[in-house]
Amino acid sequence: GENVEQHPSTLSVQEGDSAVIKCTYSDSASNYFPWYKQELGKGPQLIIDIRSNVGEKKDQRIAVTLNKTAKHFSLHITETQPEDSAVYFCAATPRDYKLSFGAGTTVTVRA
Amino acid sequence: DVKVTQSSRYLVKRTGEKVFLECVQDMDHENMFWYRQDPGLGLRLIYFSYDVKMKEKGDIPEGYSVSREKKERFSLILESASTNQTSMYLCASISGSGNTIYFGEGSWLTVV
Repeated sequence: GENVEQHPSTLSVQEGDSAVIKCTYSDSASNYFPWYKQELGKGPQLIIDIRSNVGEKKDQRIAVTLNKTAKHFSLHITETQPEDSAVYFCAATPRDYKLSFGAGTTVTVRA
Repeated sequence: DVKVTQSSRYLVKRTGEKVFLECVQDMDHENMFWYRQDPGLGLRLIYFSYDVKMKEKGDIPEGYSVSREKKERFSLILESASTNQTSMYLCASISGSGNTIYFGEGSWLTVV
């Protein structure tokens, strides 16, 4: 099955700086790559996703890039704010919506 | 807005007890999932269901079973709870033609 590795496990950034989280996947058939943000005491919420026919996608301060050849994808958060502090999960799936998740990255934005 | 509701947010159960975790979604989604979330391990799929009365094992089904008698409701059952099942459980749903998986708020289970 699909195996997703996520790095780093923790990330501390100064407010206003950028944060980058990287994920690699193993199944070349994977074609859908969502990113989730989980705040304390809540379930994960989708923040951005990308499909295999696209190399990059942006939504305001958040962007995701995908390199299918290298089988990795990354989340970029620019101009970080305290409310960006959360746990972020990447995921990948080749079919049937059975997502395989990374282990998560705890992002702390220092004021 | 899609809503996935997990009725029990915090539970404490004794070893050997039978535990039911209930999940209801209000968007007529075909596919529903149960995940388990543990620190450093991310989310791991326990079971999923793609239709009423249909179920399929995920990556870690041992010690769990599920029930989907109605489209909107997907239940996770721990037949005999053990301490290693202490965790946060997340329910999710997605339509058959949809792109986005919606998660519930999670159920924190402690087995003592």
